[in-house]
Amino acid sequence: DAGVIQSPRHEVTEMGQEVTLRCKPISGHDYLFWYRQTMMRGLELLIYFNNNVPIDDSGMPEDRFSAKMPNASFSTLKIQPSEPRDSAVYFCASSRRTLAGEQFFGPGTRLTVL
Amino acid sequence: AQSVAQPEDQVNVAEGNPLTVKCTYSVSGNPYLFWYVQYPNRGLQFLLKYITGDNLVKGSYGFEAEFNKSQTSFHLKKPSALVSDSALYFCAVRDDNQGGKLIFGQGTELSVKP
Repeated sequence: DAGVIQSPRHEVTEMGQEVTLRCKPISGHDYLFWYRQTMMRGLELLIYFNNNVPIDDSGMPEDRFSAKMPNASFSTLKIQPSEPRDSAVYFCASSRRTLAGEQFFGPGTRLTVL
Repeated sequence: AQSVAQPEDQVNVAEGNPLTVKCTYSVSGNPYLFWYVQYPNRGLQFLLKYITGDNLVKGSYGFEAEFNKSQTSFHLKKPSALVSDSALYFCAVRDDNQGGKLIFGQGTELSVKP
């Protein structure tokens, strides 16, 4: 199994531009999570899906952030418009209910907004 | 509400000495507890978990954790530290109110010096 796949691994963009981060979860996993990690705020859960349905988006910072999961093998996190304070590492993780909650993390996307 | 606390931001250990990274938890029911490790520029990796059974749980890379119900603790331990163990360690508890969601601690930076 290839594990959780994220793309791109690095993204540098200018303030005001739209950014789309992508995630492919592990096949057979029914939960998908988006996290953000910064030095100041640590690891934050942004949103998670169960069977492609958003369950809890209370961690999404503001309306500039949106996430979708059109099918079981793909999810996107979009920031429009991006701001310098969005600079962070964004992780995607997936899990399966029968694993009692153990999550598998992708390598992350390092986003820099200039 | 479920929560975990990691009281130490940083732990320094000499190579070959035993190490302990502390975690305490607060849950309303039976705890499902996890330890993850994050190496520089990588995603979080699962180390071990406690669901039920023996209070001493063995995991990857020679790590183990001791579940103590009376002290509501789940400390991570290793008998002999390696320089390569230097990383960021996260304790987590499953949120029973939200299926697959994990509540992470703020992380403890472990530094092992030769």
